[in-house]
Amino acid sequence: AQTVTQSQPEMSVQEAETVTLSCTYDTSESDYYLFWYKQPPSRQMILVIRQEAYKQQNATENRFSVNFQKAAKSFSLKISDSQLGDAAMYFCAYRSAESGGSNYKLTFGKGTLLTVNP
Amino acid sequence: EAGVAQSPRYKIIEKRQSVAFWCNPISGHATLYWYQQILGQGPKLLIQFQNNGVVDDSQLPKDRFSAERLKGVDSTLKIQPAKLEDSAVYLCASSLSWPYEQYFGPGTRLTVT
Repeated sequence: AQTVTQSQPEMSVQEAETVTLSCTYDTSESDYYLFWYKQPPSRQMILVIRQEAYKQQNATENRFSVNFQKAAKSFSLKISDSQLGDAAMYFCAYRSAESGGSNYKLTFGKGTLLTVNP
Repeated sequence: EAGVAQSPRYKIIEKRQSVAFWCNPISGHATLYWYQQILGQGPKLLIQFQNNGVVDDSQLPKDRFSAERLKGVDSTLKIQPAKLEDSAVYLCASSLSWPYEQYFGPGTRLTVT
């Protein structure tokens, strides 16, 4: 079974600065997807960024980028120019790329609570 | 495009009572998921439907939890009888068959006293 570990329960950053959230995972599969989701106090899970394991290039979405190290099974999220609206719980998640309905579920880490200080 | 709808947003019940949650997925999404998120943890899949058939319910406590998806659209999740440890946020998500991105609803926060 796949596992996802987020070792930082809480992180804080000053507005306009950069912060990196860590995630490691364990899997025996060679092809899979990794995600970062944001969950603000409203509880709505919002997809921030997605990485396909077969792609060597790190995914980027505006101020959000990832550092994907497949051999190390590491998947960190970098938030540049942090904004007050970035404050939320961030979850790293894994999904198999194998076909078959039960493989489509997401396996989540425990989350990192990000505080942005003005 | 309307998102995933869930109701109620909050529910407080006493232990041994029953409760039901409702989810309306994004129109056209064949796959529907129910996740349980206990405070301080990430969401955990309870059950997954493909149209109106169950794909994965291996983590569903079947002695007290049940779920159905009538006509492959709306879904209800029921707990009977509730236990204190069922206090959690229940998230519904849906996705197309491809490319499988899951879209989440706002969740229902259940408190069992």
